[in-house]
Amino acid sequence: GQNIDQPTEMTATEGAIVQINCTYQTSGFNGLFWYQQHAGEAPTFLSYNVLDGLEEKGRFSSFLSRSKGYSYLLLKELQMKDSASYLCAVRDYGGATNKLIFGTGTLLAVQP
Amino acid sequence: SQTIHQWPATLVQPVGSPLSLECTVEGTSNPNLYWYRQAAGRGLQLLFYSVGIGQISSEVPQNLSASRPQDRQFILSSKKLLLSDSGFYLCAWRQAGYEQYFGPGTRLTVT
Repeated sequence: GQNIDQPTEMTATEGAIVQINCTYQTSGFNGLFWYQQHAGEAPTFLSYNVLDGLEEKGRFSSFLSRSKGYSYLLLKELQMKDSASYLCAVRDYGGATNKLIFGTGTLLAVQP
Repeated sequence: SQTIHQWPATLVQPVGSPLSLECTVEGTSNPNLYWYRQAAGRGLQLLFYSVGIGQISSEVPQNLSASRPQDRQFILSSKKLLLSDSGFYLCAWRQAGYEQYFGPGTRLTVT
């Protein structure tokens, strides 16, 4: 079966660092994505990992371990605008179809 | 640059009524197109995807259908809505890269 797990909610303080974990068990794996979704809005693409290791992009970094079925999104220097849901998604084997399987998302609240 | 449009933005429909949601993409050709639904408190569920005109694949059995009459147009339809069809409907596109880009979404409430 297909299963992607993320914590439902997290709270962090402005200026701090927060790590959002994602574990997956899928029949196929061809990359992992992180999306940010503000309330009532569409998800926006943050990062893509297909090889093991850390990908850094400004204040956001994403890590992947394929052997452990594990990824995390690291947000540094938190800002109030980072309050949003963070969605983990796995790219299934599908060739041209590129199907994504999404977790239920982690709602992050950044407090002053 | 590429843009994706969806309409309407919000919709309130009675049970048993028909549905038509439209998605169009600009600035690209022959994209992969996707319809997702996001129910309250749940993740994005892939409903349909299309790799070309007239080519539709369904992911889950339901009373919804999709069509792709033109290269950059994707339509989601239903003949009779159910209460359980309420949700946030998102269209997405992909071309050269692996990431998918989402439209602004349609919030559907079935009453």
